[in-house]
Amino acid sequence: AQKITQTQPGMFVQEKEAVTLDCTYDTSDPSYGLFWYKQPSSGEMIFLIYQGSYDQQNATEGRYSLNFQKARKSANLVISASQLGDSAMYFCAMREGRSGYSTLTFGKGTMLLVSP
Amino acid sequence: ETGVTQTPRHLVMGMTNKKSLKCEQHLGHNAMYWYKQSAKKPLELMFVYSLEERVENNSVPSRFSPECPNSSHLFLHLHTLQPEDSALYLCASSQSATGETYEQYFGPGTRLTVT
Repeated sequence: AQKITQTQPGMFVQEKEAVTLDCTYDTSDPSYGLFWYKQPSSGEMIFLIYQGSYDQQNATEGRYSLNFQKARKSANLVISASQLGDSAMYFCAMREGRSGYSTLTFGKGTMLLVSP
Repeated sequence: ETGVTQTPRHLVMGMTNKKSLKCEQHLGHNAMYWYKQSAKKPLELMFVYSLEERVENNSVPSRFSPECPNSSHLFLHLHTLQPEDSALYLCASSQSATGETYEQYFGPGTRLTVT
């Protein structure tokens, strides 16, 4: 079974609108972390936001927020006020356990296109 | 200067060649990673080095050979590759400490084409 599922291969949004990118995960480990990364066409993976399994509040970083629903095992990324520069691939990833280094499992990604 | 650099950015090699990919991090991290990103597949973790010791090797063929001479540098030595090895190879680094994990910072990747 996939550990990280991103069901939206592609999403379209107009500039200045909000968009939600879906991510569900599967783990039996009580301690885990969820990450979102952005990958523009240049190839570099850019860290956006992190949510720990024990965090009580949803993570926020500027225009990015993570809608964490633990019981449903979902960690959706919300981008408010989309900008043209937000067009990119977006990856959800999970770290399980609390080892001294982080081994991440990635989803297949969602391609976001922002139009003027 | 960006936190994680990779050279070369693009590489075309024949199946009989030997080449090396280089990664350097300027963030003071002590864990480094190699990932492979093929078209339409999730990122695949290849190797993990923590405190210069290889701690993970995800069933990677022996034609890929990593080397971590110090905490700032990571190499991936390539020899007798196959066309299916063509992909984007990403290097990442992170801080690590017992009981805590931190986000990984990625380099721009090396686009490898095997002919």
